[in-house]
Amino acid sequence: AQKVTQAQTEISVVEKEDVTLDCVYETRDTTYYLFWYKQPPSGELVFLIRRNSFDEQNEISGRYSWNFQKSTSSFNFTITASQVVDSAVYFCALSLNNAGNMLTFGGGTRLMVKP
Amino acid sequence: NAGVTQTPKFRVLKTGQSMTLLCAQDMNHEYMYWYRQDPGMGLRLIHYSVGEGTTAKGEVPDGYNVSRLKKQNFLLGLESAAPSQTSVYFCASSNIAGSSYEQYFGPGTRLTVT
Repeated sequence: AQKVTQAQTEISVVEKEDVTLDCVYETRDTTYYLFWYKQPPSGELVFLIRRNSFDEQNEISGRYSWNFQKSTSSFNFTITASQVVDSAVYFCALSLNNAGNMLTFGGGTRLMVKP
Repeated sequence: NAGVTQTPKFRVLKTGQSMTLLCAQDMNHEYMYWYRQDPGMGLRLIHYSVGEGTTAKGEVPDGYNVSRLKKQNFLLGLESAAPSQTSVYFCASSNIAGSSYEQYFGPGTRLTVT
């Protein structure tokens, strides 16, 4: 069975600091997909990124960047120059290449960015 | 474009009462899902559907039933609510084209069972 672990339950930083959210996954499948979602205080889930297991290129989108390393089964998320609006719960998730696209979520990391 | 909508947004039930949560999507997605979110545990899959008329159990299906009579709707039923079912429930949908496609989530329903 697959599993996603986000060891950091809560992180607090001061605005403009860089912060990295860790995600470690477990699966025996060779084809899988990794996701990050953001849940702001309003409660909705916002899709941030999707990565497939065959693409280990790191990705950058503005202040956000993702580091995918199959060797360590990790898919870490870095926010550069954090802002108060980045305060949210962030979820890492995994889905396998099977019918249903079911997501297995990590427990989430609550990020608090203080002014 | 409404995306995924859920009704109701909030509900308080007494132990033993029943209710149905409605999820609707207007994106013509084949797959639909019900998750529950509890503190510190992320989201866990309750039931899912890969098409109209089909349903399947997820990780935590006990105490819930679902139906997918129409492609755009996915109903989650609680026949006899228990305090352990106090949670935030999220519905989601995704396209049929493999796991590479993201799931689109509804705004959530906060359910309290007293």
